[in-house]
Amino acid sequence: EPEVTQTPSHQVTQMGQEVILRCVPISNHLYFYWYRQILGQKVEFLVSFYNNEISEKSEIFDDQFSVERPDGSNFTLKIRSTKLEDSAMYFCASRTTGLAGVEQYFGPGTRLTVT
Amino acid sequence: ILNVEQSPQSLHVQEGDSTNFTCSFPSSNFYALHWYRWETAKSPEALFVMTLNGDEKKKGRISATLNTKEGYSYLYIKGSQPEDSATYLCASIQSNTGKLIFGQGTTLQVKP
Repeated sequence: EPEVTQTPSHQVTQMGQEVILRCVPISNHLYFYWYRQILGQKVEFLVSFYNNEISEKSEIFDDQFSVERPDGSNFTLKIRSTKLEDSAMYFCASRTTGLAGVEQYFGPGTRLTVT
Repeated sequence: ILNVEQSPQSLHVQEGDSTNFTCSFPSSNFYALHWYRWETAKSPEALFVMTLNGDEKKKGRISATLNTKEGYSYLYIKGSQPEDSATYLCASIQSNTGKLIFGQGTTLQVKP
């Protein structure tokens, strides 16, 4: 069964460094998302991406964050200058067309630790 | 502020017990309600996607109902088994981009 994959599974970085989290969505999916969960808190939406542009972003998704679909298969989240509070589990998700009745498929997550 | 709330936060039951969880969500601008099952170190896995008021869905021993007018959904597990131990997340869609707004989850532990 097709699945969403994410690399790396765990990333440790120093404050102020740039990180790129990678996701390979399911191949025929058109809508892509990043979510994150800070330990002990709710899973929260970061950004949605469709037709090579951001369709919605949360207040968290400031100028330090960017997303890209560079080659038609990968979907990346870049954090330009990491902060301690960026430490979280980051999930990528994708879905096919349609909206309400369509599930989102999640990857296993990348645990980002900023020291 | 759009808030999705789940209760209880955690639940410990014996094998064979039946149990249920609650998810409440804003009833305005409602598109869909998703239930996910999430085991540690694995991807959250969709159980149900529900869109219509009065929807009832079933998958094996697990079922869910939806009331969009009052903004709640119930998830039921009949005859819990140890393999049902997981965190159950509900999430609502309130905008046309499909972004999910998650509750805090209910962590179920089923003891043999």
